[in-house]
Amino acid sequence: GAVVSQHPSRVICKSGTSVKIECRSLDFQATTMFWYRQFPKQSLMLMATSNEGSKATYEQGVEKDKFLINHASLTLSTLTVTSAHPEDSSFYICSARDLWEPEDTQYFGPGTRLTVL
Amino acid sequence: GIQVEQSPPDLILQEGANSTLRCNFSDSVNNLQWFHQNPWGQLINLFYIPSGTKQNGRLSATTVATERYSLLYISSSQTTDSGVYFCAQTDSWGKLQFGAGTQVVVTP
Repeated sequence: GAVVSQHPSRVICKSGTSVKIECRSLDFQATTMFWYRQFPKQSLMLMATSNEGSKATYEQGVEKDKFLINHASLTLSTLTVTSAHPEDSSFYICSARDLWEPEDTQYFGPGTRLTVL
Repeated sequence: GIQVEQSPPDLILQEGANSTLRCNFSDSVNNLQWFHQNPWGQLINLFYIPSGTKQNGRLSATTVATERYSLLYISSSQTTDSGVYFCAQTDSWGKLQFGAGTQVVVTP
């Protein structure tokens, strides 16, 4: 089955530092990946759509200079939280769409729990 | 935009019980999906079901597209079924719109 990995699974950092989260599709090619944010006891909120070889498309209210997304290959997208602050603490989840999947499904990574002190 | 509503918000079950989760959506069905988020945060695809009925083990789902709702059935629940169940619909931009989820706790 389609597997998506994320690294790291959890990270604790000091306020003002930058954190990079990697999302990889392990056994399929993904021209499109998505980044979500989830607060405790809440649903997933889409942050941005990442397309291989082009700029990411951000949802309204998401600061693109704050959350840098790079999708350099068909199997890797990265999210960098720049100058992190405590309010950026959250659970970040990526998903990937299988290029060859006839159904429009997304496969999700295990998530990254970010804590900013 | 698409509105996706789930009920109930919370559900406590005794092991072995059956239950039904509901998902109402405001727009024509487009790639309706059900997911289970386990207590560690991993989302698992359960069903892709824009219409009809599908079954996978103790889980089954039915979508009635003309009436804009989908049901997820859990039979003979087990503690491993605990977690949050989300339904989601793909909008015209190809983005998933999630419902608020149903938190399920299965007690031994």
